[in-house]
Amino acid sequence: EIVLTQSPATLSLSPGERATLSCRASQSVSSSLAWYQQKPGQAPRLLIYDASNRATGIPARFSGSGSGTDFTLTISSLEPEDFAVYYCQQRSNWPRTFGQGTKVEIK
Amino acid sequence: QVQLVESGGGVAQPGRSLRLSCAASGFNFSNYGMHWVRQAPGKGLEWVAVISYDGSNKYYADSVKGRFTISRDTSKNTLYLQMNSLRAEDTAVYYCAKDRLGITYYFDYWGQGTLVTVSS
Repeated sequence: EIVLTQSPATLSLSPGERATLSCRASQSVSSSLAWYQQKPGQAPRLLIYDASNRATGIPARFSGSGSGTDFTLTISSLEPEDFAVYYCQQRSNWPRTFGQGTKVEIK
Repeated sequence: QVQLVESGGGVAQPGRSLRLSCAASGFNFSNYGMHWVRQAPGKGLEWVAVISYDGSNKYYADSVKGRFTISRDTSKNTLYLQMNSLRAEDTAVYYCAKDRLGITYYFDYWGQGTLVTVSS
């Protein structure tokens, strides 16, 4: 099973700041990685697929990069609605797995 | 717009069964693979099962294989998850999710979830 390790567990930032979230895979997943945002009491929302492609309707301040084992989600300038938990997910190998999440909280 | 509405959750005793439903609208249901993903209270996400657009292919996580069955009724635009031999560790919010294309294992729309609690 591919283990996805997200860091940091919690990121404390202020609105307007840049957020950089990391996802490291225990073995290569090529570019088969997605990022999701989840707010309390809500379902996850797809942000990025295939490592760097924004999903429909996702603002340009969200960007993804990486391949192989190291991936990054960048939020260029945090808006108040961006404070949430973010998960990475791989579809390269069985079973499909998610990371444990990074919480982006208001500093 | 795409809407996915789950129902059927509740409390069940260990060893008993529940059937979840997910009513889909706002897209051509018969063109997309559909998934169930669950989230235990306060925990992360776990993919559970997928069914292809035409129902001919079904895949399951090892944790539910042999106990859960995914199915779909295109005439009703509804996805199902039959859960048998329930265990305490099946307690979670169950989300149905639409695949981004056929079966890509990218989930671009999710329902609001239905809570399943397995307890005696």
